Amino acid sequence: QSVLTQPPSVSGAPGQRVSISCTGSSSNIGAGYAVHWYQQLPGTAPKLLIYRNNNRPSGVPDRFSGSQSGTSASLAITGLQAEDEADYFCQSYDSSLSGYVFGTGTKVTVL
Amino acid sequence: QITLKESGPTLVKPTQTLTLTCTFSGFSLSTSGVGVGWIRQTPGKALEWLALIYWDDDKRYSPSLKSRLTIAKDTSKNQVVLTMTNMDPVDTATYYCAHRPYSDFTAWHFDYWGQGTLVTVSS
Repeated sequence: QSVLTQPPSVSGAPGQRVSISCTGSSSNIGAGYAVHWYQQLPGTAPKLLIYRNNNRPSGVPDRFSGSQSGTSASLAITGLQAEDEADYFCQSYDSSLSGYVFGTGTKVTVL
Repeated sequence: QITLKESGPTLVKPTQTLTLTCTFSGFSLSTSGVGVGWIRQTPGKALEWLALIYWDDDKRYSPSLKSRLTIAKDTSKNQVVLTMTNMDPVDTATYYCAHRPYSDFTAWHFDYWGQGTLVTVSS
């Protein structure tokens, strides 16, 4: 019952750029609620990757960047590395549901 | 640094009540603006927010699960407890607690997560 929609998978060769979309609606992203991104490496807990649309916590490489427009957001990974192979989730807040909502998740594969 | 760790049963029977404890360090749940939330992840990998408790003891619940959930804090023990009644096999998931830092209402997120605890519901 995820409210935010992401592509199930994206892939790219090392060094390439990949992008993950996160599509919401007028009650979450479109209402001005920020989008945040989490990286989940195999067998581990989600880790905050991007907050407030385009801000990186300390220690996150600048290869990761976020953007937001209208009812959608995107996460871009430039200079793809083998260690980036993971699941990525977007998250926002939904005023209609009065709660935190997550994306469906995207698996990034490094070819 | 901020750390959180979940604890509780790994196996519960259908209709039973689940009680999970989040023990944290590196912050105080009496600090203005801070919260601790619970999120679960199904075997299919979907993430679902369950509940959140604020520094001032205000509580918020997922509308779809509100009737089954109770969240409480013990500030002196640095713990947050989540109870979920009437467990069903579909509630089988990894349950995480997470720190919600202070931010304006448009940018609520979770910056630190526990390692998670897998709960299986089966008779």
